Amino acid sequence: AQSVTQLDSHVSVSEGTPVLLRCNYSSSYSPSLFWYVQHPNKGLQLLLKYTSAATLVKGINGFEAEFKKSETSFHLTKPSAHMSDAAEYFCVVRGDFNKFYFGSGTKLNVKP
Amino acid sequence: ETGVTQSPTHLIKTRGQQVTLRCSSQSGHNTVSWYQQALGQGPQFIFQYYREEENGRGNFPPRFSGLQFPNYSSELNVNALELDDSALYLCASSSPLGPQGGYGYTFGSGTRLTVV
Repeated sequence: AQSVTQLDSHVSVSEGTPVLLRCNYSSSYSPSLFWYVQHPNKGLQLLLKYTSAATLVKGINGFEAEFKKSETSFHLTKPSAHMSDAAEYFCVVRGDFNKFYFGSGTKLNVKP
Repeated sequence: ETGVTQSPTHLIKTRGQQVTLRCSSQSGHNTVSWYQQALGQGPQFIFQYYREEENGRGNFPPRFSGLQFPNYSSELNVNALELDDSALYLCASSSPLGPQGGYGYTFGSGTRLTVV
């Protein structure tokens, strides 16, 4: 079975400081992992994806994530937060028949 | 700008009624999935259609049903609405590469359904 656990429901950072959003996954086979962002009243936007190529994945808007099999983790990072990064972020693992299993989300607050 | 359009954006229905939500996918996207996102939770997979046939279903009862049409549009139908059906319903489509390739799923902005 596939699942993801997002370890923090809320993260608050100051503008210009690093962002770390944590995600652990569970998968019975080599996983495909994704991070999506959801701004208020907007659809979900793909930030980046891991599909067994390079373990360090670069995405849009300066975000990146590192796949660590030994730790079953796929944490999302960004060196310097912008106000526009405030949103909810979802870690996702792909399951059978391309079902996507979403985590419960992490709300990122960016303080000026 | 997203290539997936959902209508209506908001809807209020009474318990026991039936509702149809609509989605228009990008041309060429022959896979469409529907998700339910309850308040404060991540989206939950309802079902998926590929070339107009259902080919995957989550833990939702049969009163949740769907259709996919040749023009890349689709519908989600919910019968006998319950209060717990209140949620944001998201439609997602992917290219022939599938959501694991290319750019994953493209999501619409959703339809917010309120059941009273």
